[in-house]
Amino acid sequence: AQTVTQSQPEMSVQEAETVTLSCTYDTSESDYYLFWYKQPPSRQMILVIRQEAYKQQNATENRFSVNFQKAAKSFSLKISDSQLGDAAMYFCAYRREGFGNEKLTFGTGTRLTIIP
Amino acid sequence: DTGVSQDPRHKITKRGQNVTFRCDPISEHNRLYWYRQTLGQGPEFLTYFQNEAQLEKSRLLSDRFSAERPKGSFSTLEIQHTEQGDSAMYLCASSRWANRQNTGELFFGEGSRLTVL
Repeated sequence: AQTVTQSQPEMSVQEAETVTLSCTYDTSESDYYLFWYKQPPSRQMILVIRQEAYKQQNATENRFSVNFQKAAKSFSLKISDSQLGDAAMYFCAYRREGFGNEKLTFGTGTRLTIIP
Repeated sequence: DTGVSQDPRHKITKRGQNVTFRCDPISEHNRLYWYRQTLGQGPEFLTYFQNEAQLEKSRLLSDRFSAERPKGSFSTLEIQHTEQGDSAMYLCASSRWANRQNTGELFFGEGSRLTVL
């Protein structure tokens, strides 16, 4: 079974600084997707960034980028120029590729606090 | 607003009572998912529908739980004979079918929080 591990329950960063959230996963599959979702307090979860395992290039979305290390099964999220609105729970998630493989497996999350 | 909507947002019930949650997905999305999230944990998959067909159910979905999507639009999740362990946030999400050209991104609702006394 696939598992996703987030070893940092809480992180904090000064506004405008850079922070990296860690995620590792376990799978025997070679083709899959990885995601970072953001869950602000009392608001719905939204997708931050996604990575296809077959792509070697790390995904980037504005201030958000990932470091995908397939052999090490590591998928970290870097947030640059942190803003107050980045404060949230961040969940790493995994999904197998292919029709019918719909289940997202989530980690336990990292609570990110932004210090003004 | 054309996002995923869930109702009710909060439900407090006594042990043994039945509760029903409703989810209205984004209109053009043919896939609908239910997840459960307990305090300090990530969401856990319960079940998903493609149109009106329920294609997968988790072992977490005991016999007391039933989900339906009768016309391939909105969905309901019913919990019968609630137990204190059912207390959680129940999240609904919707998506289009994922392929190499689209992300299959899940769009989540704000959730329905259940408290069983």
